[in-house]
Amino acid sequence: KNQVEQSPQSLIILEGKNCTLQCNYTVSPFSNLRWYKQDTGRGPVSLTIMTFSENTKSNGRYTATLDADTKQSSLHITASQLSDSASYICVVSGGTASKLTFGTGTRLQVTL
Amino acid sequence: ETGVTQTPRHLVMGMTNKKSLKCEQHLGHNAMYWYKQSAKKPLELMFVYSLEERVENNSVPSRFSPECPNSSHLFLHLHTLQPEDSALYLCASSPTTRTGGNEQYFGPGTRLTVT
Repeated sequence: KNQVEQSPQSLIILEGKNCTLQCNYTVSPFSNLRWYKQDTGRGPVSLTIMTFSENTKSNGRYTATLDADTKQSSLHITASQLSDSASYICVVSGGTASKLTFGTGTRLQVTL
Repeated sequence: ETGVTQTPRHLVMGMTNKKSLKCEQHLGHNAMYWYKQSAKKPLELMFVYSLEERVENNSVPSRFSPECPNSSHLFLHLHTLQPEDSALYLCASSPTTRTGGNEQYFGPGTRLTVT
C-alpha cells in the first residue's frame, strides 16, 4: 500500500532557529515528491518538486533533500520567521497517471 | 491567491439541508479535483474531472454529488450530510490529470460544519 509518513506531527521553534521536517514514503514506482505549505485557512501551496535524479532543491530559505534509495525526504527551514508557521505536507506521485499520496503533514509553529 | 477560488469559505448546515460548494479556476487548466481534509488525516481525493468528464470517483457516498459544467467550474452538491462529513473541502486544478511534473493548484477551501 502506498503510504507517506511525516515526522514530527508538530513542532514549536523560536524565530530565527532552523528546523528539519522528515518524510518517509513507500510509494512505488516513484515519479516525484513535492513539499507543500498550508497556512491556516488556506489551500496548500507548492514549495518544491523533486524527481528521482534530484538530491536537493532550494526555494529561498527552504531546502528539500531526497534519498530515493532509502525513500526519505527532508525539508530544512533556515532562519525561521513567524510567517513560516503553517502545516507542511509531503506529497508523492507514483507515476505519470497515478494518484498523489499525501502525508498527514507537520504542524510548525514559530514563536518569539 | 493561486488562481483557484472557492465559495463559500465557511458553511454550517444541518443534516437535512441541501447546499452546494463552488470552485472556479482562472488558470486555463483541463483537470479539476475535489479533496476532503479532516484533522490529522491525509488529504482524501474525492473526484477528478478531466475536460468536464468525471474520470475518478473514489467510493464517495452518494450524498456528495459533483458537477462540472465546463473546465473552469466545479461544484459539489451536498445533501443529507452526517456530522463526520465536517471537514475542509479543497478544490484543485492542474493542466492535465497526469501527475508527473503536473502541479496541482489548490483553492483556499470551504470549511464545512454539519450540525
